[in-house]
Amino acid sequence: QQQVKQSPQSLIVQKGGISIINCAYENTAFDYFPWYQQFPGKGPALLIAIRPDVSEKKEGRFTISFNKSAKQFSLHIMDSQPGDSATYFCAAGSGYSTLTFGKGTMLLVSP
Amino acid sequence: KAGVTQTPRYLIKTRGQQVTLSCSPISGHRSVSWYQQTPGQGLQFLFEYFSETQRNKGNFPGRFSGRQFSNSRSEMNVSTLELGDSALYLCASSLFGADTQYFGPGTRLTVL
Repeated sequence: QQQVKQSPQSLIVQKGGISIINCAYENTAFDYFPWYQQFPGKGPALLIAIRPDVSEKKEGRFTISFNKSAKQFSLHIMDSQPGDSATYFCAAGSGYSTLTFGKGTMLLVSP
Repeated sequence: KAGVTQTPRYLIKTRGQQVTLSCSPISGHRSVSWYQQTPGQGLQFLFEYFSETQRNKGNFPGRFSGRQFSNSRSEMNVSTLELGDSALYLCASSLFGADTQYFGPGTRLTVL
């Protein structure tokens, strides 16, 4: 079964701290790894994505680290802000298959 | 470009009824995927349509069905509603499937 395991389920970080969310996958055919951010009452929105030809991708305060041999990837949120409080989903996919999502991480950034 | 739109935004139904939800993808997108989101269960994949054909299917009972029209708009139908069907139903569109998916705001279904 194609699974993406995400941890932790919830995370509390102080303002200015680093938030780290991890995901592990099983299917070595996956070649696209996006992260989505979802605020209450809204649909998920793409935050940042990576393909396995690079080990890291940074966009502003958000960084994806990718370890192909370990089949793991993670999201780092630097200088976390209260406005970052949301649910984050990792996902993985390839070709014409649909994306497989992790179960999500509820992030709370305390002021 | 207009985003993904879903109608209606909210629905209240009773057990045993059926419901039809609608999704209009971003112009040019041919893949439409449907997800059920409940607290603690994350995003559970229902099915994906591409060029009017169901291409991928999740592990849901046959009460859940869908279709896609020639203009890529999609509908999903849930028959014989159960209390456990109460959820946020999300539609996402993309160019070809496992690329960037753009989500709509969802339809909140409550089954009483």
